[in-house]
Amino acid sequence: NSKVIQTPRYLVKGQGQKAKMRCIPEKGHPVVFWYQQNKNNEFKFLINFQNQEVLQQIDMTEKRFSAECPSNSPCSLEIQSSEAGDSALYLCASSGQGAHTEVFFGKGTRLTVV
Amino acid sequence: QQKVQQSPESLIVPEGGMASLNCTSSDRNVDYFWWYRQHSGKSPKMLMSIFSNGEKEEGRFTVHLNKASLHTSLHIRDSQPSDSALYLCAANRGSALGRLHFGAGTQLIVIP
Repeated sequence: NSKVIQTPRYLVKGQGQKAKMRCIPEKGHPVVFWYQQNKNNEFKFLINFQNQEVLQQIDMTEKRFSAECPSNSPCSLEIQSSEAGDSALYLCASSGQGAHTEVFFGKGTRLTVV
Repeated sequence: QQKVQQSPESLIVPEGGMASLNCTSSDRNVDYFWWYRQHSGKSPKMLMSIFSNGEKEEGRFTVHLNKASLHTSLHIRDSQPSDSALYLCAANRGSALGRLHFGAGTQLIVIP
């Protein structure tokens, strides 16, 4: 069973509203990823952290999302102003140090923007 | 555009049959391939990984890699209805700090 905990499992927001989701990575994992999986099962990388520092993020994330991974608190991803196209499954994942260590995924937060 | 291409999009096999799934990367910098399985409503779970040319077998699952063509394939023998799921291929490279590039997946259905 996945030890990456995501909340909430489901989120419904109106267009223009903020949408915030949280993730507790597996204990001892310093690297955290956020991915968006759309209805066609396509994955889009959003951002990753090593400890509290942002490693990489895509342009969309920089402009419209707010994300952080504070020490001793859950990581979070927040869409500042939700759009219909943001409806998707948001997956948080964590891994140990190094490029070739296994990445473990949470169950995701399914966001629906109405 | 997707850097990782998977085929077929969907696959139906009878129980006990062999399922063969394909994956190719267009990014020549990748050096590690992963196969994940995602049951409906569940999180993706890693099945197998491979970075060396050749073949790797674990139980009913065999993965092949051809590094020259950046092509990997996953073969499931004696397929079971519980194998019905979305199979995702992902690739990454050492310099990208673990970031995975995913294909769009192959939806496998095993008919009892």
